[in-house]
Amino acid sequence: QSALTQPASVSGSPGQSITISCTGTSSDVGSYNLVSWYQQHPGKAPKLMIYEGSKRPSGVSNRFSGSKSGNTASLTISGLQAEDEADYYCCSYAGSSTPYVVFGGGTKLTVL
Amino acid sequence: QVTLKESGPVLVKPTETLTLTCTVSGFSLSNARMGVSWIRQPPGKALEWLAHIFSNDEKSYSTSLKSRLTISKDTSKSQVVLTMTNMDPVDTATYYCARIVRASGYVSDYWGQGTLVTVSS
Repeated sequence: QSALTQPASVSGSPGQSITISCTGTSSDVGSYNLVSWYQQHPGKAPKLMIYEGSKRPSGVSNRFSGSKSGNTASLTISGLQAEDEADYYCCSYAGSSTPYVVFGGGTKLTVL
Repeated sequence: QVTLKESGPVLVKPTETLTLTCTVSGFSLSNARMGVSWIRQPPGKALEWLAHIFSNDEKSYSTSLKSRLTISKDTSKSQVVLTMTNMDPVDTATYYCARIVRASGYVSDYWGQGTLVTVSS
C-alpha cells in the first residue's frame, strides 16, 4: 500500500482560504469515506482535526472542513490564522486487512 | 480525560531490541470499540503506522516491518507494549501511541506526546 499523495507545501495570507489535497486510490480514499486529517505543530504530537471525511471533533474550529471527490480528499481551512501554520497529514482507512490505514506524506502550511 | 504516554529508552544500539510502553488512562483496553496503535515519525519525515491491538487481542502489523514487531497489552495495567528487534539507525524516530476507534475507520483520536528514540552505537 503506497502512501497518500499530498502537496509538500501550501501557503496563504491571514483571512484567506486554502485547500490541501490528498490523493489515494480506489483501494483506500476512493472506497471509503473514512479519511482523517491531523495538524502537527513543530515538536508536538499530531492532533485530530477531521474524521470520517468531514466530521470535526469537539473543540476543533469550524474553519476546518473536509470533503472528498473520487480518490482525492481535501482539507479546507478558511479565515487563515497565524496559529494554523503547521504540518497537515491525511490518513485513510484502507480495508479490513493490514495495513488498515495509510498516511499521506504531509503538507507544510505557511501563513504569510 | 483520555491520555496516553509513551515510555522507553531514548538511545539504543544497532541490532538491539527496542521495547516501548504506552500507558493509557481515561479509557479501558477492554473496550471493544477502541484499540491502540503505534505510529512513528523519523525526524523531518512523515507518519508511518506500525501496529495496532484491540481488546480481543486482534493484532495487525505493518507489512514491511512485520518480522521485527510484536505488540501486546496488559489490560490490568492499562499498558500496550511494542517491541522492535534488530534496530538500525534508520529506525531513529519519534514513536507515538494513539487510541484508535474501529468504527471510524481506525481513526487515531488521541495521541501520546511521543518519545524520540535514537539508534546509534
